[in-house]
Amino acid sequence: EPEVTQTPSHQVTQMGQEVILRCVPISNHLYFYWYRQILGQKVEFLVSFYNNEISEKSEIFDDQFSVERPDGSNFTLKIRSTKLEDSAMYFCASSELAGNQETQYFGPGTRLLVL
Amino acid sequence: AQTVTQSQPEMSVQEAETVTLSCTYDTSESDYYLFWYKQPPSRQMILVIRQEAYKQQNATENRFSVNFQKAAKSFSLKISDSQLGDAAMYFCAYRSYSNYQLIWGAGTKLIIKP
Repeated sequence: EPEVTQTPSHQVTQMGQEVILRCVPISNHLYFYWYRQILGQKVEFLVSFYNNEISEKSEIFDDQFSVERPDGSNFTLKIRSTKLEDSAMYFCASSELAGNQETQYFGPGTRLLVL
Repeated sequence: AQTVTQSQPEMSVQEAETVTLSCTYDTSESDYYLFWYKQPPSRQMILVIRQEAYKQQNATENRFSVNFQKAAKSFSLKISDSQLGDAAMYFCAYRSYSNYQLIWGAGTKLIIKP
């Protein structure tokens, strides 16, 4: 069964450094998402992406964040200058359709630790 | 703004027994979707079941069923004949018709006792 994959599974970085989290959505899916979960807190929506542009973003998704689909398979989340509070589990998701048939399928997550 | 509340941080059940996980939500919308996701120790978030708010019939998927009470804004998950593989964090999530983002509850950790 097709799955969403994410790399790396763990990333440790120094505050102020740039990180890129990578996701490979399910191949025929058209809608892509990033969520994060800070330890002990709820999962939070960051951004959704369709047709090579952001369709929705939350207040968390400020100028330090960007997303890109650089080729036909990868979907990336870049954090330009990491802060301690960016430490979290980051989940990528994809869905085939939007609207009534939409179900989001999730990857296993990348655990980001900012020191 | 919509919110989702799971009031049970942890639940335990004997293998082969039935357990019900609670979820309530707050919304002013009439059309929306509700989901239960399972997150085992492997971390992959797996869809268990979904419910469209306009459907009165409760969704079922094999041993998993929901009790959807729209007026009460309640969406509980019943797991019948619990198995060791059901041990995981279970998250309730809400999505409105008008946007794509899922709004999540805090999760319930389900422990299965052999």
